[in-house]
Amino acid sequence: DQQVKQNSPSLSVQEGRISILNCDYTNSMFDYFLWYKKYPAEGPTFLISISSIKDKNEDGRFTVFLNKSAKHLSLHIVPSQPGDSAVYFCAARDDKIIFGKGTRLHILP
Amino acid sequence: ETGVTQSPTHLIKTRGQQVTLRCSSQSGHNTVSWYQQALGQGPQFIFQYYREEENGRGNFPPRFSGLQFPNYSSELNVNALELDDSALYLCASSSGQGAIQETQYFGPGTRLLVL
Repeated sequence: DQQVKQNSPSLSVQEGRISILNCDYTNSMFDYFLWYKKYPAEGPTFLISISSIKDKNEDGRFTVFLNKSAKHLSLHIVPSQPGDSAVYFCAARDDKIIFGKGTRLHILP
Repeated sequence: ETGVTQSPTHLIKTRGQQVTLRCSSQSGHNTVSWYQQALGQGPQFIFQYYREEENGRGNFPPRFSGLQFPNYSSELNVNALELDDSALYLCASSSGQGAIQETQYFGPGTRLLVL
């Protein structure tokens, strides 16, 4: 029973365009949501987070949107760059951090 | 400031054996968490240690155990290995008061193959 779902295993986006990665969750008790980025042979690195009391958090090219009524969050990357090609994990926190399965983002030249 | 390191990078074991994986936390971090990432899945929380004591545990059987040392390095021990234990094992350190912190720093992982 997955509490954090990333339904798109992969996504391809043209360089310079916007990348939108989506995530759905089922547990309304989550108080924090996080996005991690993972390159091959490296551990995940923290990217951006959002508290459940907010609906948007922005950090440079990265923006996370939270829709609590829909239990949905999304990560927007604009403009997309070649170095953004990686696996992106959505995660949520209650008494532990629960990860989704990840979405592999390919930035096309 | 050194990052999180893990050893070994790769390991092959046979079913029924025991394995010990090691993690060296980032300097100044007193909390370490271990995760199992099976192929095609996201990392799954195994347990967390804060100041040498277990401070939270995921849905893993008792044959998964851990230790944290005074220098905040850590070990993950798995007894009676099963084929399904084949996975990437990640440790992550943070500087919280034992709570689950959002800014965890992950090591590169140990890839374990059980034959």
